[in-house]
Amino acid sequence: QKEVEQDPGPLSVPEGAIVSLNCTYSNSAFQYFMWYRQYSRKGPELLMYTYSSGNKEDGRFTAQVDKSSKYISLFIRDSQPSDSATYLCAMSAGSSYKLIFGSGTRLLVRP
Amino acid sequence: EAGVAQSPRYKIIEKRQSVAFWCNPISGHATLYWYQQILGQGPKLLIQFQNNGVVDDSQLPKDRFSAERLKGVDSTLKIQPAKLEDSAVYLCASSLSAGNTGELFFGEGSRLTVL
Repeated sequence: QKEVEQDPGPLSVPEGAIVSLNCTYSNSAFQYFMWYRQYSRKGPELLMYTYSSGNKEDGRFTAQVDKSSKYISLFIRDSQPSDSATYLCAMSAGSSYKLIFGSGTRLLVRP
Repeated sequence: EAGVAQSPRYKIIEKRQSVAFWCNPISGHATLYWYQQILGQGPKLLIQFQNNGVVDDSQLPKDRFSAERLKGVDSTLKIQPAKLEDSAVYLCASSLSAGNTGELFFGEGSRLTVL
C-alpha cells in the first residue's frame, strides 16, 4: 500500500464547475499537507499549505484536512480553463522527514 | 527574483551512457533537493542537501547516481551508467527553511530519455 493515494483522473469538468480533488494517506504522523499544481512540462508550484487539521481558503481554492479519516481535499470554485493541470498532494511528518507526494490528478476544465 | 534554474531541459542518451544535470537554486536558499518524476507518478526524493551537506540520500541508487553541492550553492546530479528505467524528469527544488515543512520552489526539470 502506498503511503499517499491519489486518483490519477483525468477529471474533465465544464468551466465554472466546482472541482473536488482528494488524497488519502496511511501514515498518521503526517502533520503538514500541501497541494501543488503542475502544468505540462513545468515544475510543480505550491498552491495551498495546511498544518494539521482544518480548512484553509485562498481565493477560489479551499484545502481541507481530516486527520481522523486520513483524507485531504482541494476544492476549486468557478473553475477556469487555466486551472487545467495536474494537482499533486504532498505531506510530511515534520521537518526531519521527507515530503511524500501523491501521483497526481489530471484536471481538464473545458471552455 | 530569479527562479530555480536547471539545464539541460532535454537529454536523450543510450543505455550505459552517462549524463549530468545542473541546478542553480534561488539565491539564499540553503536547502536543495533533487527529485525524480517518472511519467504518471509524483516526484520522488533522490537527495536533499542542507548547504553542502547531505541530509537524506536514502532513495538515491548510489551504484549509478551521484550528486554534489560543493560550495553550497549550485548542484550537479550524475547518472552513470544509465538504464532504461532512468527515463524520467529530474526536478531540482530549493527552499528557504531547513526542514520539509516550508514551500519548495521547483525548476522546470530536465527530461531524460534513455534508449
